[in-house]
Amino acid sequence: NAGVTQTPKFQVLKTGQSMTLQCAQDMNHNSMYWYRQDPGMGLRLIYYSASEGTTDKGEVPNGYNVSRLNKREFSLRLESAAPSQTSVYFCASRLYSADTQYFGPGTRLTVL
Amino acid sequence: SQQGEEDPQALSIQEGENATMNCSYKTSINNLQWYRQNSGRGLVHLILIRSNEREKHSGRLRVTLDTSKKSSSLLITASRAADTASYFCATGGDGSSNTGKLIFGQGTTLQVKP
Repeated sequence: NAGVTQTPKFQVLKTGQSMTLQCAQDMNHNSMYWYRQDPGMGLRLIYYSASEGTTDKGEVPNGYNVSRLNKREFSLRLESAAPSQTSVYFCASRLYSADTQYFGPGTRLTVL
Repeated sequence: SQQGEEDPQALSIQEGENATMNCSYKTSINNLQWYRQNSGRGLVHLILIRSNEREKHSGRLRVTLDTSKKSSSLLITASRAADTASYFCATGGDGSSNTGKLIFGQGTTLQVKP
């Protein structure tokens, strides 16, 4: 099993550009999550999908949209990137009956 | 907003010593988890303790939970250079909706010197 995979690993954008971060898991997990990690801030939840077909806002959703494409895939879209969105983005997944989350390796995004 | 704080923010010890990290939180919880993050990597789950438990062990890890003080501690015994990483506590438990959402602390950076 590959676990949770994320693409791309690194990305540089200019202000105003758009992009989609991809996340996939092969563990048949029900719930998926997008976090951002900034220095000294820990991880903050952007959006989550408790089960296939549902998505909900987390703590810091402004400037982002998500799509739960199917049970395996959960994408995060930045429609018009801003320098404040420079961060490391992590995707995670969880089996519905469990509490532990499994994390991907992260995408390091820089917005100039 | 962040659920709580971790203390200390940074810790540097010699190999073989014990490392203790503390986590405080603000709201009622169902469980508290500890994760490790090696530099440039994703988080890895270490241990989970439920709100009705007071202490839990896993190998060289010992976690305690005091719900009356809304605090937890993680003890790593006989530390090794490979334990060098950032450690995060995360609280979970949002009632019947079972979204699995976690709220993370800001982390403790541990350096273990050979």
